[in-house]
Amino acid sequence: GNSVTQMEGPVTLSEEAFLTINCTYTATGYPSLFWYVQYPGEGLQLLLKATKADDKGSNKGFEATYRKETTSFHLEKGSVQVSDSAVYFCALSALQGAQKLVFGQGTRLTINP
Amino acid sequence: GAVVSQHPSRVICKSGTSVKIECRSLDFQATTMFWYRQFPKQSLMLMATSNEGSKATYEQGVEKDKFLINHASLTLSTLTVTSAHPEDSSFYICSAWHGGRGTSYGYTFGSGTRLTVV
Repeated sequence: GNSVTQMEGPVTLSEEAFLTINCTYTATGYPSLFWYVQYPGEGLQLLLKATKADDKGSNKGFEATYRKETTSFHLEKGSVQVSDSAVYFCALSALQGAQKLVFGQGTRLTINP
Repeated sequence: GAVVSQHPSRVICKSGTSVKIECRSLDFQATTMFWYRQFPKQSLMLMATSNEGSKATYEQGVEKDKFLINHASLTLSTLTVTSAHPEDSSFYICSAWHGGRGTSYGYTFGSGTRLTVV
């Protein structure tokens, strides 16, 4: 079946450090890939997405590139801020349209000033 | 655009009572909505897929009679936790799928409901 595996957290960094959160997936066909962010006590917010191989999603300084050859969608940011502290979820939907999302286990990120 | 409103944000109920959680798409029509449950420091577990005008599709292991889902209109889906027990205490999140052209489609999440059963 379809699955998403994220690097285990928690991850703690200092402000302005470089961030990478690894995400790999298993899916048949050509899934769409997503990164969501969850702040304490809140729902999920879409951070970025990519719908086909070699697409790069980007938003708020975060980037992720859809790599079909390595089945990966790693999240990166060049210089993190304290406000980036949150839980990050990688997810996929197997088909276009209203298909359910399959989530990774989430990675808790803490940025210290 | 693509805003989903979920109410209530927090609810405390007595064991044995029922609780209804609402999920509304405010500026788009959502033919499909999803209900998730999240335990502390864990990922989201899909409970069911709700389609407007038809019965919800439940994931394996989710009790249909305990978690009643109704999607009577294109903008509203409700989750009712019936005869709630302390083990039902959790964070429940809804999501609505909105179609579009090209890459504009996506999933928008509600802000979640923290249910505590005492």
